Amino acid sequence: AQSVSQHNHHVILSEAASLELGCNYSYGGTVNLFWYVQYPGQHLQLLLKYFSGDPLVKGIKGFEAEFIKSKFSFNLRKPSVQWSDTAEYFCAVNAAAGTYKYIFGTGTRLKVLA
Amino acid sequence: KAGVTQTPRYLIKTRGQQVTLSCSPISGHRSVSWYQQTPGQGLQFLFEYFSETQRNKGNFPGRFSGRQFSNSRSEMNVSTLELGDSALYLCASSPLRGPEQYFGPGTRLTVT
Repeated sequence: AQSVSQHNHHVILSEAASLELGCNYSYGGTVNLFWYVQYPGQHLQLLLKYFSGDPLVKGIKGFEAEFIKSKFSFNLRKPSVQWSDTAEYFCAVNAAAGTYKYIFGTGTRLKVLA
Repeated sequence: KAGVTQTPRYLIKTRGQQVTLSCSPISGHRSVSWYQQTPGQGLQFLFEYFSETQRNKGNFPGRFSGRQFSNSRSEMNVSTLELGDSALYLCASSPLRGPEQYFGPGTRLTVT
């Protein structure tokens, strides 16, 4: 069965610190990968996505993620976080073969101190 | 374009009752998925509909059901509510040309 693991449940950083949130998935086939963000009081929003091609993908607000197939990982990074990045971040996987089923990680709560 | 809308936004029900939640996808989107979000379990996939057909479902009991109408609007129903059904229920729609999902604000269901 597919599963997604986000190893960091809570992360606290100071502004300007670098961020890396881990995401590992278990699925042997081709996958689509996503990071979603949920700001306090707001909807889940798509941050970035990977379907194929360049394994380094760039999303909104300066976020990027790298797909490492051999490690089944899709870690999220940002070189310098801002107070406004305080949110909950979710990694998600969908089998590209079209199962139409999305598996989400349990989320990482990021708090950025001003 | 208007985003995904869900009604009602908040709901309080008693154990044993049933509830129906509604979701209107983004115009032109024909795929609608439902999720249950709880603090301990995160987002759990309930089911996905496309053109009125359920294409996949998650591991939830039969008390959870859904349907989709010809205009792509979707409803989910939970019968015989239990305290553990208290959660935020999210609906998401997907465009024809991509699997990414766009989420609504959710319906907060509280079962007492």
